[in-house]
Amino acid sequence: GEDVEQSLFLSVREGDSSVINCTYTDSSSTYLYWYKQEPGAGLQLLTYIFSNMDMKQDQRLTVLLNKKDKHLSLRIADTQTGDSAIYFCAEMGNAGNMLTFGGGTRLMVKP
Amino acid sequence: DAGITQSPRYKITETGRQVTLMCHQTWSHSYMFWYRQDLGHGLRLIYYSAAADITDKGEVPDGYVVSRSKTENFPLTLESATRSQTSVYFCASSDGTSGSDEQYFGPGTRLTVT
Repeated sequence: GEDVEQSLFLSVREGDSSVINCTYTDSSSTYLYWYKQEPGAGLQLLTYIFSNMDMKQDQRLTVLLNKKDKHLSLRIADTQTGDSAIYFCAEMGNAGNMLTFGGGTRLMVKP
Repeated sequence: DAGITQSPRYKITETGRQVTLMCHQTWSHSYMFWYRQDLGHGLRLIYYSAAADITDKGEVPDGYVVSRSKTENFPLTLESATRSQTSVYFCASSDGTSGSDEQYFGPGTRLTVT
């Protein structure tokens, strides 16, 4: 089956930028997503990007997509302690309605 | 309560017992999903439903049964629980299956099978 990979852990200082990376194998991915999970809670959609886009910016969040290398990244500018959470990358293939998730990256923000 | 809710939030059961996890959404979303979250695996789709009385298997359906007699409810049953089914289970719903249709997640049910 298709695969989505993320690094397990990232630690940054408050005020710095965070970059969370994701690679995927499905060349027919149509949409790619970033979800945030806070402790004891479900997943919350942060942003998504359509596969024909290279970049999407939404306030402090910048998503970069390199479709050739099947690489997706999420940059969080001016990272705050409230950004500490697990971030999941996910992709939707051309069959629709089924998401494939990465294993999640735990972001720790140090004051 | 508006939104998507799951019950119970925590459950401990014994191997071989039947257990049902409940999911309820108030948006009348067509699509509902069940995922399990395990360390190192992210979320994996168990079953999904496109509408009442329409269900389909996801990536890891073995050992699970679902039903959808009403649009707002999507219960997940473990017919004979095994230790490998110890996990956190998330229900989600969405209005459609376009890539721009957000999946809204419930708070999760932590299930321990002893």
